[in-house]
Amino acid sequence: EIVLTQSPGTLSLVPGERATLSCRTSQSVLNTYIAWYQQKPGQAPRLLIYGGFTRATGIPDRFSGSGSGTDFTLTISRLEPEDFAMYYCQCQQYGVSHVYAFGQGTKLEIK
Amino acid sequence: QVQLQESGPGLMKPSETLSLTCVVSGGSVSSNNWWSWVRQPPGKGLEWIAEIFHSGSAHYNPSLGSRVAISMDESNNHLSLRLTSVTAADTATYYCARHVSVPTTRGFDFWGRGVQVTVSS
Repeated sequence: EIVLTQSPGTLSLVPGERATLSCRTSQSVLNTYIAWYQQKPGQAPRLLIYGGFTRATGIPDRFSGSGSGTDFTLTISRLEPEDFAMYYCQCQQYGVSHVYAFGQGTKLEIK
Repeated sequence: QVQLQESGPGLMKPSETLSLTCVVSGGSVSSNNWWSWVRQPPGKGLEWIAEIFHSGSAHYNPSLGSRVAISMDESNNHLSLRLTSVTAADTATYYCARHVSVPTTRGFDFWGRGVQVTVSS
């Protein structure tokens, strides 16, 4: 069973700064099998990045996804006030079709 | 714009069977998309439960074993989830979600608002 580990658990930054969120998988996965979500309190998750690096419809270009193998990154180039939220990575386990896993999340908070 | 709306019992007792429905509007469950159920216990992270395609193919999170079943009603454009022998550990917000249809990529692009399910004696 694949495990996704996100770091840091909490990231404290100020608007305008750059945010770098990490997602490490316990085994190698295809980078196109990685997705990133944003979730605010009381709301459903919102897809930010799918296929590893493709922004979902309506997502600003300050959000970008990268990585390969077991190390993946979500970068927010210049934080806006509305970006402070929880972030989750997700992947499908390569070689074991159709089993999905989520990371435990990174909380991005205002410093 | 695709919209998903979950519904369920709200409060349940241990050992009962949970039945959830997800009505899809603005799109068709018969489209070239997989559909999933995901849950989130209070204050915790996301857990994928199961997925289904209109061909009838379905896959499940091994951690839930044989307790879970997903189904689809194409004529009424909705998904269903059944979870047997619930315990307090099944207390969560349950979401249905649509998978992106881009080949060889993964991601859930549309989500319902979720339905809260509490299991308590």
